[in-house]
Amino acid sequence: GDSVTQMEGPVTLSEEAFLTINCTYTATGYPSLFWYVQYPGEGLQLLLKATKADDKGSNKGFEATYRKETTSFHLEKGSVQVSDSAVYFCALRPLQNSGGSNYKLTFGKGTLLTVNP
Amino acid sequence: NAGVMQNPRHLVRRRGQEARLRCSPMKGHSHVYWYRQLPEEGLKFMVYLQKENIIDESGMPKERFSAEFPKEGPSILRIQQVVRGDSAAYFCASSPTGPNTGELFFGEGSRLTVL
Repeated sequence: GDSVTQMEGPVTLSEEAFLTINCTYTATGYPSLFWYVQYPGEGLQLLLKATKADDKGSNKGFEATYRKETTSFHLEKGSVQVSDSAVYFCALRPLQNSGGSNYKLTFGKGTLLTVNP
Repeated sequence: NAGVMQNPRHLVRRRGQEARLRCSPMKGHSHVYWYRQLPEEGLKFMVYLQKENIIDESGMPKERFSAEFPKEGPSILRIQQVVRGDSAAYFCASSPTGPNTGELFFGEGSRLTVL
């Protein structure tokens, strides 16, 4: 079945440091890929997404590129801020008609990021 | 516009008791999804409901768990005779139309602890 493996946390960085959170997946066909973020005391929010190979999703200074050859969707940000402290989840959604139900998102375990001033 | 509202945020139950978790979708959303996050694992799909209908409950344990989304009121996830293994975070999500056409909006989650 589908699976998502993301970098174990927690990750602790200083403000303005470079961030990478690795995410790799296994799935049939060409799933859509997502990064969700959960800030303290809030629900999961969609941070960015990519729906086909070589697409780059970006939002709030974060980027991730859909790499089919390496089945990866690593999250990056050039300069993190204290306000980026949160739990980050990588997820995939099966392609419609690929044999999977595309409301069944598959999530990684989440990576806790703490950014210190 | 209020987001997906879940309550209670935290619930403690003793083994054998019942747990009821509630989810009010975003205004105008008629599709609700429940996910569970066990310790050290990712979120996993449990059930997909529309108003008064269960569309897919393939991710829900066959015994002790049930879900509903009545015509009026919130969606309810009910766990009877809870056991320690039910301790988890339960997340609800909603979407305005079917899941093919847009993102899912998640609530903050309800954290169940079974003593």
